[in-house]
Amino acid sequence: NAGVTQTPKFQVLKTGQSMTLQCAQDMNHNSMYWYRQDPGMGLRLIYYSASEGTTDKGEVPNGYNVSRLNKREFSLRLESAAPSQTSVYFCASDPGNTGELFFGEGSRLTVL
Amino acid sequence: EDQVTQSPEALRLQEGESSSLNCSYTVSGLRGLFWYRQDPGKGPEFLFTLYSAGEEKEKERLKATLTKKESFLHITAPKPEDSATYLCAVQAEETSGSRLTFGEGTQLTVNP
Repeated sequence: NAGVTQTPKFQVLKTGQSMTLQCAQDMNHNSMYWYRQDPGMGLRLIYYSASEGTTDKGEVPNGYNVSRLNKREFSLRLESAAPSQTSVYFCASDPGNTGELFFGEGSRLTVL
Repeated sequence: EDQVTQSPEALRLQEGESSSLNCSYTVSGLRGLFWYRQDPGKGPEFLFTLYSAGEEKEKERLKATLTKKESFLHITAPKPEDSATYLCAVQAEETSGSRLTFGEGTQLTVNP
C-alpha cells in the first residue's frame, strides 16, 4: 500500500520555467491538498480539492494552478517559476473533512 | 484569521526526562485540533485529533490535552526515537474540506 506518492522528489528550475508536480493516492480518498513548507512559516495550504471535479484556493494560491485529474490524482503546476517558490511541497489526502491527513514524502523545489 | 502558535521552537531532553509542548490557538469556532509528527525529510504523520475542551488522547509515551485556548502534548519518559518535529493544527467549523492551519512546530531532540 503506497499511500500518497509524489513526483519528482527533487527539482531545480530556472526563473521563468514551468513544471508540474504530480501526486497520486491509492486509498480511495475524496479530498486532496497541496501544501508548501518553508522555514519559519510552517505548512501553508496552496490549493485543495474537496472531491473529484472540484478545486478551491487555499492560503497562498498565487503563481500556481491545479488539476484534479481523477479521484486518485491531483497535480500542481507552476507556470512561470519564481525564486519565492523555492520550497518543499507536500501533497496530502483524507477520506473527506476529517482533518486526519495522509502526506506524501515531499517534493523539494529550488528556483534559481 | 485562524492562528496557531507553538512553543518552544526547540526542546532538548535527556532520555527519560518528561516535558510538555504547547500549542496556543485562535479560531472562529473549533471543529478539531490535530497533532502531527514530522521526521526529517519526511511528510507529517497524524497522531491525534481533539474536538472539545477537557478531551485527552494517549498513544504510547504521548498524551494530548485540550482547553479552550491551548493544547499540550505531554511526553512521558521520552526515548531517542521520539526525536522529531511536532506540529499542531486547527480546523475551523465553517471550513470546507480539511483546511488546516498549522503552527511552525516544536523540534524535539531526545539525547540518550
